[in-house]
Amino acid sequence: QVQLQQSGPGLVKPSQTLSLTCAISGDSVSRKYAGWNWIRQSPSRGLEWLGRTYYTSKWCNEYAVSVKSRITVDADTSKNQFSLHLNSVTPDDTALYYCARDGGDWHPDSWGQGILVTVSS
Amino acid sequence: DIVLTQTLLSSPVTLGQPASISCRSSQSLVHRDGNTYLSWLHQRPGQPPRLLIYGISNRFSGVPDRFSGSGAGTDFTLKISRVEAEDVGVYYCMQSTQSTWTFGQGTRLEI
Repeated sequence: QVQLQQSGPGLVKPSQTLSLTCAISGDSVSRKYAGWNWIRQSPSRGLEWLGRTYYTSKWCNEYAVSVKSRITVDADTSKNQFSLHLNSVTPDDTALYYCARDGGDWHPDSWGQGILVTVSS
Repeated sequence: DIVLTQTLLSSPVTLGQPASISCRSSQSLVHRDGNTYLSWLHQRPGQPPRLLIYGISNRFSGVPDRFSGSGAGTDFTLKISRVEAEDVGVYYCMQSTQSTWTFGQGTRLEI
């Protein structure tokens, strides 16, 4: 059974970088075609997919247009985890952030517990 | 991006009675591979969403058979044959036909 454990700060100052990590157990971040996603949830935006990383014969990334200029999702195979980095944050980035796995069939079958990130000075 | 719009088809909801939620897409969700990547998620307060249905009508592991999904193209429905107390929460449809996933706005089920 796949488990995703999220970690990271709950408070980030405006203009700084929001960084969260999702540790994986029960699967491998480098398993071919599994997708490792970041999704956020806020009252104003609802559920919003942000981006993913996945391995085919090389690492690939896809990002939402809304954050494409500010986001990086990367994987650490030595720690079997993946991370979200969102730079130049504003209060509008305040949300509950989730990591989620797509097991290769393009649906999110496992979710992290969620971390509430507040952007405030 | 594809926009998904949800409506609750049966209201109010009573324990033991059926309920249906509709999801309409702004464009066809049929992928070029012939599959339709429409899922349903359920979120209880304070918990992450959990997958109920994928590929329009496939129940995810452990999901009770009182949940069923149907539809095609742009119109989809989640049905609960007999609502139980644990079914309260918010239901979301989600498309992954496009690589940039999008979600419906959510439908709250209250008893």
